[in-house]
Amino acid sequence: RKEVEQDPGPFNVPEGATVAFNCTYSNSASQSFFWYRQDCRKEPKLLMSVYSSGNEDGRFTAQLNRASQYISLLIRDSKLSDSATYLCVVNPSGSSGSARQLTFGSGTQLTVLP
Amino acid sequence: DAGVTQSPTHLIKTRGQQVTLRCSPKSGHDTVSWYQQALGQGPQFIFQYYEEEERQRGNFPDRFSGHQFPNYSSELNVNALLLGDSALYLCASSTTGAFEAFFGQGTRLTVV
Repeated sequence: RKEVEQDPGPFNVPEGATVAFNCTYSNSASQSFFWYRQDCRKEPKLLMSVYSSGNEDGRFTAQLNRASQYISLLIRDSKLSDSATYLCVVNPSGSSGSARQLTFGSGTQLTVLP
Repeated sequence: DAGVTQSPTHLIKTRGQQVTLRCSPKSGHDTVSWYQQALGQGPQFIFQYYEEEERQRGNFPDRFSGHQFPNYSSELNVNALLLGDSALYLCASSTTGAFEAFFGQGTRLTVV
């Protein structure tokens, strides 16, 4: 079983649609969680961190369910510029903190259509 | 403020050769991690350097080695290149105690 699993997609949605991505992780000791965005042939860039209480940044909402080891990302009112691969990322580091080994999912490809 | 910079951006090597990739971390960052990203896959952790020492290593063979310099910059060396080493190699920098990592644009290595 992969440490971080995502639906690879692709997701093709019209502009203005709401789309949700899901991710599960296997290491119950994981401490921090992120969604990264990666444009074609570019480096991954942090989209948002994910907290147990859930967090929102404009059109993006991330949720974490530690009991189910499940992470989600919701994008509302999709824009053409949202087209990218979305990577679910888990940091298993302990209380010592620091960005240690980041474990990435394979990514979910999103294409927003005009 | 310059972000994470990597060189070269593209590289073509022959099987059996050796390659060195370079990374300069973001200003103020002291920790450098290296990742390999094959086509269609997420990045895979190779190793991390802090205070000029390898602090953590992923599931990669000894052909992959690295170094960190006193100015926090880092090199990734790969010996005896295989066709399967063709990938995007990403460097990420961070600071001790921070969870967020910033990535460079990567070096695309093609082994022929």
